[in-house]
Amino acid sequence: KNQVEQSPQSLIILEGKNCTLQCNYTVSPFSNLRWYKQDTGRGPVSLTIMTFSENTKSNGRYTATLDADTKQSSLHITASQLSDSASYICVVSASGNNRLAFGKGNQVVVIP
Amino acid sequence: ETGVTQTPRHLVMGMTNKKSLKCEQHLGHNAMYWYKQSAKKPLELMFVYNFKEQTENNSVPSRFSPECPNSSHLFLHLHTLQPEDSALYLCASSQVAQGSYEQYFGPGTRLTVT
Repeated sequence: KNQVEQSPQSLIILEGKNCTLQCNYTVSPFSNLRWYKQDTGRGPVSLTIMTFSENTKSNGRYTATLDADTKQSSLHITASQLSDSASYICVVSASGNNRLAFGKGNQVVVIP
Repeated sequence: ETGVTQTPRHLVMGMTNKKSLKCEQHLGHNAMYWYKQSAKKPLELMFVYNFKEQTENNSVPSRFSPECPNSSHLFLHLHTLQPEDSALYLCASSQVAQGSYEQYFGPGTRLTVT
């Protein structure tokens, strides 16, 4: 079983609407969690990084939350734009370990 | 050139061919990585190099052979591949090979094995 599970696998939203992506992880001990955005035909690009003590972090219209107790994170996209169409990948790092645990990604399609 | 570049962007090869993927980072980093990305699956780490030394081989078949001549360049030599090796191959770099450091990814090479 993968250490990082993301839901929903895919979703379609209307331009201008909001959406929330979920990430549940079992990685322990926890070091940090990153959300990456991967456009089609491109490599992933980091959106946010959250450490144990952080609950919320924003990057423009993207807001990530972290609940380290329940091992859950979410990425909220506000007022979606067509350019938000991409795969959003949750990546978790364990303390004292070089290895990263990747989710399968949330595929988001924004339609006009 | 900035960031992490990869060439070629697309590659089609037969099972008996030999080809190489190239990655170059312009960020002054000391760690470089090869990942395989297949549809509907998480990124799979293949190899890690830290200060030019291979520190991780994630049980990758020997038909994939990495080479890291210096901290800025990374190659993946391919020979006698199988159709199931078709995937997007991503290169990444970070300051050092430690999970707390952000990895910067290249655009990837889309490989098709026929």
